[in-house]
Amino acid sequence: GAVVSQHPSWVICKSGTSVKIECRSLDFQATTMFWYRQFPKQSLMLMATSNEGSKATYEQGVEKDKFLINHASLTLSTLTVTSAHPEDSSFYICSAKSVEDGQYFGPGTRLTVL
Amino acid sequence: ILNVEQSPQSLHVQEGDSTNFTCSFPSSNFYALHWYRWETAKSPEALFVMTLNGDEKKKGRISATLNTKEGYSYLYIKGSQPEDSATYLCALILTGGGNKLTFGTGTQLKVEL
Repeated sequence: GAVVSQHPSWVICKSGTSVKIECRSLDFQATTMFWYRQFPKQSLMLMATSNEGSKATYEQGVEKDKFLINHASLTLSTLTVTSAHPEDSSFYICSAKSVEDGQYFGPGTRLTVL
Repeated sequence: ILNVEQSPQSLHVQEGDSTNFTCSFPSSNFYALHWYRWETAKSPEALFVMTLNGDEKKKGRISATLNTKEGYSYLYIKGSQPEDSATYLCALILTGGGNKLTFGTGTQLKVEL
């Protein structure tokens, strides 16, 4: 089956630093990748849709200058949380869309900002 | 705001019990409903994609039904096993919504020996 990896699986950082999370489709090409965020006791919320070679489309209320998304190849998208603050602490998870229209998820990244 | 609701929030059953959970959603502009199974520390795994009213899909001991007119889907697990313990998520796609999934908060299932 289609496999999506995410790195790192968890990260702890100091307030004000930037953190980059990678999402890779390991055995298929993904023209579209999605980034979600989940706060405790809440549902997965879509942050942005990323298409290879073009700018990401952000959902309402998600700051594009804070959450930088790069989708430079058909197998890699990165999310950079810039100048992270404690309120950015969350679970970030990506998914990648295959040409067969399935959407496959990575295992997620737990970010804790001190 | 699009409301996708799942109930119950959590469920404890004994091995061998059959169980079911509900996903409720607005019935207008329905395109598809996805069910995922999410074990701790793993990736959510796609179970079913339901598109047609009256759809019933089955995968081993797990099955799902869909009623788009009244806006609900049921997920059934027959003869629960400890390995079925996971969070079960449903996610809605609306017509014209592209591939945007709107998730419910999930039902956390624990199957005890």
